[in-house]
Amino acid sequence: GQSLEQPSEVTAVEGAIVQINCTYQTSGFYGLSWYQQHDGGAPTFLSYNALDGLEETGRFSSFLSRSDSYGYLLLQELQMKDSASYFCAVTTGGFKTIFGAGTRLFVKA
Amino acid sequence: GAGVSQSPSNKVTEKGKDVELRCDPISGHTALYWYRQSLGQGLEFLIYFQGNSAPDKSGLPSDRFSAERTGGSVSTLTIQRTQQEDSAVYLCASSFKGQPAGYGYTFGSGTRLTVV
Repeated sequence: GQSLEQPSEVTAVEGAIVQINCTYQTSGFYGLSWYQQHDGGAPTFLSYNALDGLEETGRFSSFLSRSDSYGYLLLQELQMKDSASYFCAVTTGGFKTIFGAGTRLFVKA
Repeated sequence: GAGVSQSPSNKVTEKGKDVELRCDPISGHTALYWYRQSLGQGLEFLIYFQGNSAPDKSGLPSDRFSAERTGGSVSTLTIQRTQQEDSAVYLCASSFKGQPAGYGYTFGSGTRLTVV
């Protein structure tokens, strides 16, 4: 089967740095992406890694190690508005992308 | 349009009835995807379209589910003889043809389906 694993919940303090890990077991791999979803809202795209290494976009960075089937999302200078669910997603082939169950991030003052 | 539009935003239906969910993607986006999200869960892949064709229908949960896309634009997801386990938020996303899959999907706000 195909699976993505990420922690169900993470809590951090405003201004801190938090890392959300994602490990995957899939039959194919084309890329790892990350999406943010606020309660009641639509998922919004954050980042994408097709090759090993770190991609940085403002306060958010994403890392991929294909040999370890592992990636993470790094959020710096946490703000209250970052409280949301974060989903990793793997494109397994063609245009099929499967999502993890999501990590609920709580940012405390 | 400016974003992905889905209708209706909410639908309550009786068990056994058929429902149609509509998705209007961003103009020029040739790829269109349907996902289902149960409360507090991740997104379950249902189907994707490249233009009007659906190369991969493996995610459709049963033969009660079908989807079509016409004119390379609007897509309709139909659920026949709805069951209570069909209750979920149905999300549609679109992207440019040239983008790698998974990159830069734009999601609609979804249709919240409740089967009573």
